[in-house]
Amino acid sequence: DGGITQSPKYLFRKEGQNVTLSCEQNLNHDAMYWYRQDPGQGLRLIYYSQIVNDFQKGDIAEGYSVSREKKESFPLTVTSAQKNPTAFYLCASSIGGRSSYEQYFGPGTRLTVT
Amino acid sequence: KQEVTQIPAALSVPEGENLVLNCSFTDSAIYNLQWFRQDPGKGLTSLLLIQSSQREQTSGRLNASLDKSSGRSTLYIAASQPGDSATYLCAVKAGQTSGSRLTFGEGTQLTVNP
Repeated sequence: DGGITQSPKYLFRKEGQNVTLSCEQNLNHDAMYWYRQDPGQGLRLIYYSQIVNDFQKGDIAEGYSVSREKKESFPLTVTSAQKNPTAFYLCASSIGGRSSYEQYFGPGTRLTVT
Repeated sequence: KQEVTQIPAALSVPEGENLVLNCSFTDSAIYNLQWFRQDPGKGLTSLLLIQSSQREQTSGRLNASLDKSSGRSTLYIAASQPGDSATYLCAVKAGQTSGSRLTFGEGTQLTVNP
């Protein structure tokens, strides 16, 4: 089955620790995205990548880092510099390029930092 | 800056009722608009994608309309069922490339009572 997988589903960390969230897709999509969702709010874009070895900051990139070494993988690191890291994190992908196709989303990772 | 508003924030209806969810956006220069469904603690499922040149899209009991000039979209759900209970999000895309932002509304939480 084609799709987007995110692991783990729940993640707990102590304040001051970096943590990496996994996102893998087997849809052969060029573009991948990371969003953050807080209770009662819409999704906000953290980072996106249109092609391997290239990525761009979204609206709330401070305190986060990403890499795109493989087409199918786009891991997100939440660093200790992120002031309010507790949130629901969603990864998405789309065909990419100059296309108008929709974005497909993974199941999400709920991160709790105490 | 594009802003997306969804009204109402929450809606509770009896089973079988037809209903309309509203989405408005401040900048009419959009490329497309997408409606999503989100179940509690889950990722987003794409329901309908409307290109800026289209007026509506239909999928089963769902019909989405777009009036770009007035900055509005509606999602019509016919003969609602308890399984339709979820949060519905709309998002607008600013441009054609995969780097163009999706700006999300905060969602409408729908409850369909048996």
